[in-house]
Amino acid sequence: QTVVTQEPSFSVSPGGTVTLTCSLSSGSVSTSYYPSWHQQTPGQAPRTLIYNTNTRSSGVPDRFSGSILGNKAALTITGAQADDECDYYCVLYMGRGIWVFGGGTKLTVL
Amino acid sequence: EVQLLESGGGLVQPGGSLRVSCAASGFTFSSYAMTWVRQAPGKGLEWVSAITGSGDNTYYAASVRGRFTVSRDSSKNTLYLQMNNLRAEDTAVYYCAKVRNVVVVDAIDYWGQGTLVTVSS
Repeated sequence: QTVVTQEPSFSVSPGGTVTLTCSLSSGSVSTSYYPSWHQQTPGQAPRTLIYNTNTRSSGVPDRFSGSILGNKAALTITGAQADDECDYYCVLYMGRGIWVFGGGTKLTVL
Repeated sequence: EVQLLESGGGLVQPGGSLRVSCAASGFTFSSYAMTWVRQAPGKGLEWVSAITGSGDNTYYAASVRGRFTVSRDSSKNTLYLQMNNLRAEDTAVYYCAKVRNVVVVDAIDYWGQGTLVTVSS
């Protein structure tokens, strides 16, 4: 069974830059997996930030960007703000109608 | 404005059944695939099921296959998830989400607010 892995936690200073990654237990992540990134604050529904690797969803600030870095999908936050402190999830399309979410990264801004 | 409003959650006994619904508005419902994602208390997101815009093709996670059925009614702009033989581990907030394409080979772009399903005796 394919596992999608994210860093369980990450810390960034206010104004700093952080890159969260999303990897596969076997193989490399490519654009063919349609990687997307979703943000969730506690008690709230998720919100789509990035889809199809690097396209920002409507209303998402340009300090959020997506890419493929090496063999992983990546979400980079530039100029981190206090309200960026929340959970981030990647999801990959595995084919045959199946999607798999990563375990999520809890981002701390301090 | 895209809106997705789930309903139908509640408390159900193990082995019981429940149907949750998602009323969609703000877009042409039949032109987009839809999906269900759940989140157990204190846990991460888990993909559950998806259905194409036409409703002709449905997909399930291994953990729910054979117990859950996804369907849609374009006349009512509503997505459904029929859940049978429920287990304690199905306890979660169930989110419906819109996919960017009529087929599922794409990404989620909008999420509902979720409905809580609790399986307990």
